[in-house]
Order: sequence, then structure tokens, then C-alpha cells
Amino acid sequence: AQSVTQLGSHVSVSEGALVLLRCNYSSSVPPYLFWYVQYPNQGLQLLLKYTSAATLVKGINGFEAEFKKSETSFHLTKPSAHMSDAAEYFCAVIQTGANNLFFGTGTRLTVIP
Amino acid sequence: SQTIHQWPATLVQPVGSPLSLECTVEGTSNPNLYWYRQAAGRGLQLLFYSVGIGQISSEVPQNLSASRPQDRQFILSSKKLLLSDSGFYLCAWRAPGQGSNYGYTFGSGTRLTVV
Repeated sequence: AQSVTQLGSHVSVSEGALVLLRCNYSSSVPPYLFWYVQYPNQGLQLLLKYTSAATLVKGINGFEAEFKKSETSFHLTKPSAHMSDAAEYFCAVIQTGANNLFFGTGTRLTVIP
Repeated sequence: SQTIHQWPATLVQPVGSPLSLECTVEGTSNPNLYWYRQAAGRGLQLLFYSVGIGQISSEVPQNLSASRPQDRQFILSSKKLLLSDSGFYLCAWRAPGQGSNYGYTFGSGTRLTVV
């Protein structure tokens, strides 16, 4: 069985500060991992994904994430938060050949001016 | 290019009324299609997926059903809505032949409020 845990349902950072959103997965084999962003009343947009190539993955809007197998983690970071980054962020996991993309419960990011 | 459409964007329905949400994908053939529900304070839960016309897989037992009458059309239905059916419903697709590593592309969602 696989699952995703996102620590912290709400994270607040000051504009210009580091953004760190945590994601840990539980899986018997290394899965594929994704980060999605959701703006209010909108669908989900793919930020980045890990697909067993480079462990440090760069995505859109200056975000990146590092896959750490030893820690079963895939934390999302951005060096400097911008007001437009305020949104809800979801980590997701899927196994090879599967049809169920499992999502975490999400982390709402607030950026304080 | 491929696009996914969902409608309506918002819907307020009384308890016991029927439901029909529609999702269509353009620019591709035989996509894998998915319905997710996002309840308040919870993550996204996969409700149904389809790998072809008339082929529906249900992930959780519920008051809802899905159908795929045409290649690029996916419909979510209910005969009688419950209060617990309220939530944000998202349709997603993945191109045929793409592996799990591609992830899914999501529509803009339907906000359903059952009153």
C-alpha cells in the first residue's frame, strides 16, 4: 500500500523568505512523485515531478524538490517566496502501471507581505 | 493541443435531487479519464477511472456513478444527492500509452454544494 503525508496543513512565510513544504511517502518500492498547486476554486496545476532520473527536480515558478530515498521524502522548496505563491500545494504518488494517483491532504501556503 | 473542460463550474442542489457533471477532453483519442473529489479539509480522493468507452472502475463505494458514453466524455452522476456529496469535483486525464510517470492533467473543477 502507498500513502503520502504532508506535514503541516498551513504554512506561513514572509515575502522573500524560504518556502519549505514537507512530503513523505510510504511505498514498498520507489514510486513516481508529484507536486501540484491549486489556486482558489481552480483545478490542479503540475509544479514538478520525480520519475527516477535526477533526484533534484526543478519545476515551474522557481520551485524545486529533492527525492531522498533514505528519508522517503520529497520536500518542496523555493528560495524566495512571492505573494503569488499563496495557494494550496499537494504532494502525490503513483506506482508504475497504476491508475490511482494518491494525494496528500494538502498544505495551504500563506505569504505575508 | 489538448484541453479538458468541466461544467458547470458551480452547482447548488437540494438533497435528494439528481446530479450530472460532465467532463470532455479535446485534442486526443482514447484518454484515460479520472474523477476525483476534494472534500473540505481533506485531500483528493479518486472516485472513478476509465481506460475506454464503457469501461468504468470504481475506487470507493458511494452514492455516485460514472459513465463514459463517448471516447472523450466522462460523466459523474447521482440519482439522489446526499449532504455528504458536497465538495469540489475534479476531472483529469492522461494520454493513452503514457506511463504513470506523466501524472494527470486536471480540469478546472465543479464546486457542488448540496443543501
